[in-house]
Amino acid sequence: GNSVTQMEGPVTLSEEAFLTINCTYTATGYPSLFWYVQYPGEGLQLLLKATKADDKGSNKGFEATYRKETTSFHLEKGSVQVSDSAVYFCALSGRTGNQFYFGTGTSLTVIP
Amino acid sequence: EAGVAQSPRYKIIEKRQSVAFWCNPISGHATLYWYQQILGQGPKLLIQFQNNGVVDDSQLPKDRFSAERLKGVDSTLKIQPAKLEDSAVYLCASSFLAGGLTDTQYFGPGTRLTVL
Repeated sequence: GNSVTQMEGPVTLSEEAFLTINCTYTATGYPSLFWYVQYPGEGLQLLLKATKADDKGSNKGFEATYRKETTSFHLEKGSVQVSDSAVYFCALSGRTGNQFYFGTGTSLTVIP
Repeated sequence: EAGVAQSPRYKIIEKRQSVAFWCNPISGHATLYWYQQILGQGPKLLIQFQNNGVVDDSQLPKDRFSAERLKGVDSTLKIQPAKLEDSAVYLCASSFLAGGLTDTQYFGPGTRLTVL
């Protein structure tokens, strides 16, 4: 079946450090892949997405590339800010579009 | 545009009681989702509606959970009777398209349920 595995947190980084949050998936067919973010006290919101192999999603300085060969969708940012402190969720949408699966979330804290 | 609205934001009940949550999606969004998010876990899809029809309810515990979207707009999720393990945040989300593969889901703020 479909599933998403994220690196466990929490992750603590200093401001301007490089961020990688690993995400791998298991799916039949060719799913779409997403990163959602949940800032403190707020609801989940879409950060970026990729709908086919080798696509790169990007937003707010974050990037993730859909790697079919390694079934991965790792989230990266070159220089994190304190305002990036949040919980990040990797997710996939199954082939028929009505199967959404989220990872367990990775908490990121950025310290000045 | 207005986002996804949910109420109440918080609810505390005792086990075996009943509870209902309400969700109003973004205007014009055909698809509505209910998720359960237990502390420390990712959201788990409970049920998905397309307009007023159920697309997927395979993970809904139907012996105690029910949901409806009678007019294809707002939706209600009910738990009857509640168990301790139902303590979680219940998230509602909506998307414009009919649950398509590339749909972006927009989430409400959630309802935090505590069952004592």
